[in-house]
Amino acid sequence: EIVLTQSPGTLSLSPGERATLSCRASQSVSSSYLAWYQQKPGQAPRLLIYGASSRATGIPDRFSGSGSGTDFTLTISRLEPEDFAVYYCQQYGSSPRGTFGQGTKLEIK
Amino acid sequence: EVQLVESGGGLVKPGGSLRLSCAASGFTFSNAWMSWVRQAPGKGLEWVGRIKSKTDGGTTDYAAPVKGRFTISRDDSKNTLYLQMNSLKTEDTAVYYCTTEDTAMEGYYYYGMDVWGQGTTVTVSS
Repeated sequence: EIVLTQSPGTLSLSPGERATLSCRASQSVSSSYLAWYQQKPGQAPRLLIYGASSRATGIPDRFSGSGSGTDFTLTISRLEPEDFAVYYCQQYGSSPRGTFGQGTKLEIK
Repeated sequence: EVQLVESGGGLVKPGGSLRLSCAASGFTFSNAWMSWVRQAPGKGLEWVGRIKSKTDGGTTDYAAPVKGRFTISRDDSKNTLYLQMNSLKTEDTAVYYCTTEDTAMEGYYYYGMDVWGQGTTVTVSS
C-alpha cells in the first residue's frame, strides 16, 4: 500500500505570502493519479487539483500543483484569507485507490 | 444543481449496525463511480470504499479496516448510494461523506472526487 506523507504538519504564514506544501509517496505514483483537496472547519473537502497539476473547475489560478514520481507540491502563490485551511493529497494509482495523506494545516501567522 | 445528501447517522453501541444513505441529484447517478470517505474527530480523511457504475461492472472495493464489516450498494432507480455498517467498533466513529469519483475509461483516467455531501455523523459508543 502506498503511504502519502505530507509536510509540514502545520504551516504558519501571513496573507500575501507564498505557501508550498509537500506530499511524498512511499512508492512512485503516476502524476495522472495525484489530487489535492482543501477542507475548512465544519465543511466537506473541496477538490483543488487533479492529475498533479490540473486545476478543478472554479479553482483560482493562485493554486498550482506540480511534481512526479514520489514528490508532489501544492503551491499557493499569494495567500488570501480564505485559503487558511487543511490540505490533503490523495493517490489513485495503486490499490487501495483513493488513499489520502495525513494533511497539512495552513494557519494564519 | 449537483448535490449529494447523506442521512442515517446516529449513536450506536459497539457491535451494532447502521445503514447510511446518500441521495444524489443533478447528475446521471447511474454513470457515476461513488465512494465513501470518513473523518474521525480531529483526524484526517480516510477512504472507506467505492462502488463502480453498473456499466463498469458495479464492483466494490474496501479499505482494510472495514473489509468484511461494511457493504456498499447502490439503487440507480432511486439515485441513492448506501453504506451498510455491521460489527461497528468505537474506531468507526466519524463523519461519513459520500463523494463522486470523476473517472473515465473504467478508472484509467481520474479527475478527482469532485462532488461531496455535507456528511453524516456516526458515533459508536456504549
